[in-house]
Amino acid sequence: GQNIDQPTEMTATEGAIVQINCTYQTSGFNGLFWYQQHAGEAPTFLSYNVLDGLEEKGRFSSFLSRSKGYSYLLLKELQMKDSASYLCAVRDKDYQLIWGAGTKLIIKP
Amino acid sequence: DTEVTQTPKHLVMGMTNKKSLKCEQHMGHRAMYWYKQKAKKPPELMFVYSYEKLSINESVPSRFSPECPNSSLLNLHLHALQPEDSALYLCASSQVGSERPTDTQYFGPGTRLTVL
Repeated sequence: GQNIDQPTEMTATEGAIVQINCTYQTSGFNGLFWYQQHAGEAPTFLSYNVLDGLEEKGRFSSFLSRSKGYSYLLLKELQMKDSASYLCAVRDKDYQLIWGAGTKLIIKP
Repeated sequence: DTEVTQTPKHLVMGMTNKKSLKCEQHMGHRAMYWYKQKAKKPPELMFVYSYEKLSINESVPSRFSPECPNSSLLNLHLHALQPEDSALYLCASSQVGSERPTDTQYFGPGTRLTVL
């Protein structure tokens, strides 16, 4: 079967750094996506990794290791507005998106 | 412009009603998707249209009927729904994913559906 694992919930402090991990076992691999979703709103695209390594985009970075079936999303200089769910999704061999359950990130002042 | 629009934002309907959800994008994307999302769960794929043709139907009950009138529009017709169908219905679009692995799905704001 196909499976994506992320922590259910994490808490961090405003101004700090947090790393949200994602491990996956899928039928093939054609890229990994991170989306941010605020409560009651649509997911918004954050990052895409298809090759091993780190992709940096402002305060957000995403890392991929295909051999380990592992990715993380790194958020720096946390702001209160970063409180949201972060969804990891993998595109499998059929180019279908397999979604993780999401990590709820709570930012405290 | 990476905007996908959906109407209505909220919809309350009875189990005997017929209603439709609408989605529109003007990014030139040729793949469009319907997802259902329950609270605290990830989006669940329902249908995929590629070049205005239904390419994936994830065993969705026939009370949900998709329609793609043209490359910019996607509808979801609802009839005889059940209370358990209450959820956030999300539309997304992308370039045709099977040929371009880097294509990203962009989501609309969703329709919050409540079935009484």
